[in-house]
Amino acid sequence: QQQVKQSPQSLIVQKGGISIINCAYENTAFDYFPWYQQFPGKGPALLIAIRPDVSEKKEGRFTISFNKSAKQFSLHIMDSQPGDSATYFCAASTDSWGKLQFGAGTQVVVTP
Amino acid sequence: GAGVSQSPSNKVTEKGKDVELRCDPISGHTALYWYRQSLGQGLEFLIYFQGNSAPDKSGLPSDRFSAERTGGSVSTLTIQRTQQEDSAVYLCASSFGRGGYTFGSGTRLTVV
Repeated sequence: QQQVKQSPQSLIVQKGGISIINCAYENTAFDYFPWYQQFPGKGPALLIAIRPDVSEKKEGRFTISFNKSAKQFSLHIMDSQPGDSATYFCAASTDSWGKLQFGAGTQVVVTP
Repeated sequence: GAGVSQSPSNKVTEKGKDVELRCDPISGHTALYWYRQSLGQGLEFLIYFQGNSAPDKSGLPSDRFSAERTGGSVSTLTIQRTQQEDSAVYLCASSFGRGGYTFGSGTRLTVV
């Protein structure tokens, strides 16, 4: 069964708007939560990551919010741009060398 | 090279034939991972190498799938007696440590 559940499956947002993608997990042993961005025909690329000892991490227009008690984490893309149109995956891992469990992905389309 | 290199980028094979997919990781990355991505789906873990050994093969879907890594570098994923359900993009990633995955662009396998 999928250990990381991601929603929504797809998202359309206007340029300048905020894109929000949510993920939930059950395994409390997970202690590393990255987000990946994938463009068509390319492999996923690490976007931003968080560990459970912090509740928020921001890098440029991308912010991860983490709620340990709810076992949820989310990605916020501020001031969304057409170049942000891609598929985004959340993931989680438990061990030092990080076999990652991925969510099903969210296809984000930013309209001009 | 600067990134993870996978070859071939595309492979069309007849049902029942064997195929070999190659991954050349980033120099110095001791960990190597194979994932499978079906059309519009998330990433399914196949196998993880640390050096030349594979401490986690739990994701290999059947005994038709095997992988090896030599010299702590290049890895080959072999699929014997290919079936139509094996059609997918096979992604390789390498890492020097926790979470620092770098993915290749993948091999798109089509079984006809």
